[in-house]
Amino acid sequence: DAKTTQPTSMDCAEGRAANLPCNHSTISGNEYVYWYRQIHSQGPQYIIHGLKNNETNEMASLIITEDRKSSTLILPHATLRDTAVYYCIVRVTNSNYQLIWGAGTKLIIKP
Amino acid sequence: DAGITQSPRYKITETGRQVTLMCHQTWSHSYMFWYRQDLGHGLRLIYYSAAADITDKGEVPDGYVVSRSKTENFPLTLESATRSQTSVYFCASSVQVQDEQFFGPGTRLTVL
Repeated sequence: DAKTTQPTSMDCAEGRAANLPCNHSTISGNEYVYWYRQIHSQGPQYIIHGLKNNETNEMASLIITEDRKSSTLILPHATLRDTAVYYCIVRVTNSNYQLIWGAGTKLIIKP
Repeated sequence: DAGITQSPRYKITETGRQVTLMCHQTWSHSYMFWYRQDLGHGLRLIYYSAAADITDKGEVPDGYVVSRSKTENFPLTLESATRSQTSVYFCASSVQVQDEQFFGPGTRLTVL
């Protein structure tokens, strides 16, 4: 499975867009990119996932580069409640369980 | 309560004791998962189950046993707890293996 690289931490002002980068330069053609977040002491929460095309839902947008070697999660209007650790994960479509979690990015939203 | 629940939420035990962590989901999801999360790290998969009576090992299964006699329950047993098993344990479920996983609130286990 491809591995991901994320910054250890990031800050963002409340009300601004938070852009979280993720590098997955060894990603294969059948590997999806998933994003989860974990608010302090809680269980992780699914955000969004994609394969090739950009995706948007009520929580966020996922922008995947054309070569698929990197992606960006965008929280359009960050609030204090978005402070969390954000995990970028790649997953093989034909695997039976793999979600390989890294250490993630600690996003701090500042007032 | 609807959703996925774990019990106990906190547990302190001693080395060598048997401990069982419970996980219960009300959605009738086919897949269930057990993860552990050590301080400052991401999650690592211990065991997963595709359906009742079907279980398989994940990344770090040693020292753990699971069973799934009913779709809604997926208990995790530490047969002889060790200090290295001190961790936060998360249970999750999903409809299909590729779908989003829904996580429980976690069990914080300390082995003295």
